[in-house]
Amino acid sequence: AQTVTQSQPEMSVQEAETVTLSCTYDTSESDYYLFWYKQPPSRQMILVIRQEAYKQQNATENRFSVNFQKAAKSFSLKISDSQLGDAAMYFCAYRSQETSGSRLTFGEGTQLTVNP
Amino acid sequence: KAGVTQTPRYLIKTRGQQVTLSCSPISGHRSVSWYQQTPGQGLQFLFEYFSETQRNKGNFPGRFSGRQFSNSRSEMNVSTLELGDSALYLCASTRTGGTYGYTFGSGTRLTVV
Repeated sequence: AQTVTQSQPEMSVQEAETVTLSCTYDTSESDYYLFWYKQPPSRQMILVIRQEAYKQQNATENRFSVNFQKAAKSFSLKISDSQLGDAAMYFCAYRSQETSGSRLTFGEGTQLTVNP
Repeated sequence: KAGVTQTPRYLIKTRGQQVTLSCSPISGHRSVSWYQQTPGQGLQFLFEYFSETQRNKGNFPGRFSGRQFSNSRSEMNVSTLELGDSALYLCASTRTGGTYGYTFGSGTRLTVV
C-alpha cells in the first residue's frame, strides 16, 4: 500500500516571503498522480496543484510550484510571495494509476501560518 | 457553477443511533467519493461510487455504507454509531477517474455523544 508522509506538522512564513512544504511518499508503482490540497477553516479542500508522475517537468500554478523528485519519491510545494490568504492546512495526496483505483491517500498535513 | 454540496453541515447523534449524510456533486460529475477526517487518523478513504455502483472501498467496518442515485447524488449511512465515529465527513466529486483532482464539499461535522 502507498503511504504519504508530511514531516512538518507546522510551518510559518512572513507575508511576501517564500516557504516550502515537504512531502515524501512510498510506492512501488511508476504511474501515479500527486496533488497538493489546501484546507482553510471553511473546511473545504481546495486543489492547489497537480503533478503527473510520468512528466519530468515540475508543475506550476501562479505563486505555487512543486519540486518533484521521482527517484527520491519527494514532492515539495513552494509558495512564493506568501499572502495572508495562504494560511491553511496543506495536504499532500497520492493517486494510484495502477492498483488502488481512484482513491486519494493523504499525508498528515502541514499547518501553515502567514505572519503579517 | 454550483460546487459540491453536503448536508447537513453539523449533526449531533447519540451512540447507537444511525445517521445519513448527503452529497450532491457538481453537475456532470459521475464519481463521488467519501472521506473521514479525524485528528488522530487524518483523512481516510471510505468508498467511491460511479454510475450508481461502488467502485472502490476503504478499510471501514460494514456499519459504513453508501449509495448513489441516478442523478449522481450520493448518501452515506453509518449504523450503530460509536463515539469514535465523530469526525468531519468529506465528499468529493470528479467527472471520471480523478486524475485531474477532485472537487470537495465543505463536509458534515458529525458528533456522537
